[in-house]
Amino acid sequence: SQTIHQWPATLVQPVGSPLSLECTVEGTSNPNLYWYRQAAGRGLQLLFYSVGIGQISSEVPQNLSASRPQDRQFILSSKKLLLSDSGFYLCAWRLERRYGYTFGSGTRLTVV
Amino acid sequence: SQQGEEDPQALSIQEGENATMNCSYKTSINNLQWYRQNSGRGLVHLILIRSNEREKHSGRLRVTLDTSKKSSSLLITASRAADTASYFCATVRGGGNKLTFGTGTQLKVEL
Repeated sequence: SQTIHQWPATLVQPVGSPLSLECTVEGTSNPNLYWYRQAAGRGLQLLFYSVGIGQISSEVPQNLSASRPQDRQFILSSKKLLLSDSGFYLCAWRLERRYGYTFGSGTRLTVV
Repeated sequence: SQQGEEDPQALSIQEGENATMNCSYKTSINNLQWYRQNSGRGLVHLILIRSNEREKHSGRLRVTLDTSKKSSSLLITASRAADTASYFCATVRGGGNKLTFGTGTQLKVEL
């Protein structure tokens, strides 16, 4: 069966520090991978998605970046965090458009 | 940007009652999906309805889609306290790879 792992669950980082969030998927090949951010009490904003290794599409200009070094690994990074980067970050995957997305359990990032 | 808008933003009902949430969207779609999110958790996929479908059922869930009005509704019948959560609609456009979410409805089911 397919599973998605996302870590850490919570993270408190100072302004200006770097960030690396990792997401891995098991039990499937060549999934579409996604990073979303959810501000408190709001809907989800798509940040990046990837349809294959090394292929990254950015949706929102910001100081975040994403990479997909392996088929089932998706990494969200920042060189210098801003206060506005605080939020709940969710990784998701899907195989085909006719299926729903499977989400990870999320990382709550607080930038202080 | 948000594709969908859910209505109402918040809904409080008694256990055993039905809960209806509505979603409107702006552009043509390939499919529309509903998700549930318990507080502080990841999202769980509930149901997907394609643009050529008008109604779909899954257990106590009933989803309708009206592409002429660009709207969808989610009905939860015989609600339970465990149904308390936020519910989001999300759409996939034509040939796209992206799932765009609405703003969500917070449902509270009281005993």
